[in-house]
Amino acid sequence: GQNIDQPTEMTATEGAIVQINCTYQTSGFNGLFWYQQHAGEAPTFLSYNVLDGLEEKGRFSSFLSRSKGYSYLLLKELQMKDSASYLCAVMDSNYQLIWGAGTKLIIKP
Amino acid sequence: SAVISQKPSRDICQRGTSLTIQCQVDSQVTMMFWYRQQPGQSLTLIATANQGSEATYESGFVIDKFPISRPNLTFSTLTVSNMSPEDSSIYLCSVRLAGESGELFFGEGSRLTVL
Repeated sequence: GQNIDQPTEMTATEGAIVQINCTYQTSGFNGLFWYQQHAGEAPTFLSYNVLDGLEEKGRFSSFLSRSKGYSYLLLKELQMKDSASYLCAVMDSNYQLIWGAGTKLIIKP
Repeated sequence: SAVISQKPSRDICQRGTSLTIQCQVDSQVTMMFWYRQQPGQSLTLIATANQGSEATYESGFVIDKFPISRPNLTFSTLTVSNMSPEDSSIYLCSVRLAGESGELFFGEGSRLTVL
């Protein structure tokens, strides 16, 4: 079956760096997405990786290794507003999105 | 990008009733989807809303329970029929734009509570 694994919850300190990991097993691969979802709000798109390597976008970076079925989202210079759930999703060979359960990130002052 | 408006944003409903959620997009889109997100859970795809034809439902979801309309390329509705407390959830409309990387854009969601 298809499976996306990410930690349920993580805690980090304001101003620090945190890495949220995502491993996947899917039927084919057409890209991996990271979304941010604040409590009570809809998910918003953060990043897209389809080739191996690091994609940097401001304070957020996303890394992909297709051979390892692995990605991470790196958040730098953490701010209190970064407290949210981070969802990893993989597009399979049928262009269907397979969603992880999300990682709840708690930022402490 | 796309701007997606959903109505209602939230509602409290009685068991056995039905509620229709509307989704309006500010541009014509081919791919439109309805998701459910139960408390503390990730997103579950209910169906793909097809313009001019019946929606394509995922395993575990049926048309009688979740009828979907898609009269044109900018609008869709999802009805949650004969509701029970287990249907309490956030329902999200999303679209994928042609030519983009495949990212989904989401509406604000409709939070339903069934008593």
